[in-house]
Amino acid sequence: EAQVTQNPRYLITVTGKKLTVTCSQNMNHEYMSWYRQDPGLGLRQIYYSMNVEVTDKGDVPEGYKVSRKEKRNFPLILESPSPNQTSLYFCASSPTGFLNTEAFFGQGTRLTVV
Amino acid sequence: GESVGLHLPTLSVQEGDNSIINCAYSNSASDYFIWYKQESGKGPQFIIDIRSNMDKRQGQRVTVLLNKTVKHLSLQIAATQPGDSAVYFCAENGYSGGYQKVTFGTGTKLQVIP
Repeated sequence: EAQVTQNPRYLITVTGKKLTVTCSQNMNHEYMSWYRQDPGLGLRQIYYSMNVEVTDKGDVPEGYKVSRKEKRNFPLILESPSPNQTSLYFCASSPTGFLNTEAFFGQGTRLTVV
Repeated sequence: GESVGLHLPTLSVQEGDNSIINCAYSNSASDYFIWYKQESGKGPQFIIDIRSNMDKRQGQRVTVLLNKTVKHLSLQIAATQPGDSAVYFCAENGYSGGYQKVTFGTGTKLQVIP
């Protein structure tokens, strides 16, 4: 089954404790992206990757890091999480960048930073 | 389940009736639009798309209308079913600062009354 898999689905952590949210897709897509979703706001892009070893900042990259060592994986790293990073996070992928095609989203990761 | 529907406009529709969900977009240079459906606890799911050289596109039970004059997009769902209950949001592919950019709307919550 074609899918984007995120882990964990839920995470509660303390301020400053480094964490990684994993994202994997099995569709051989070149383009992957991370979003955060907050009440009253649309999805906001954090980082994206056009292909292996190619990453770039989205609209809200501060406090986040990503890496793209393999085509299928695109982990999101919070080196020192803060409470304002409490949010619902989605990873997405598409064949060549979803400016002209649909994106496939993961199930989401609910992160709470206390 | 996970949801960001706390402060969203809500449309309540009787089962079997037609639903119309609206979206106003901001960038007159946007050339591609997508409607997504997000059920509680799940990631957004592609419904239908339309390019700016069209004003109407039909899928299975869904129709998207595009009015470029007033920068308005609508999603029509025929014979609404309980399984259609979800948050629906539009996305536009536009240009900002010379770069292509996808902007997501905040969404409308559709409640289907059995």
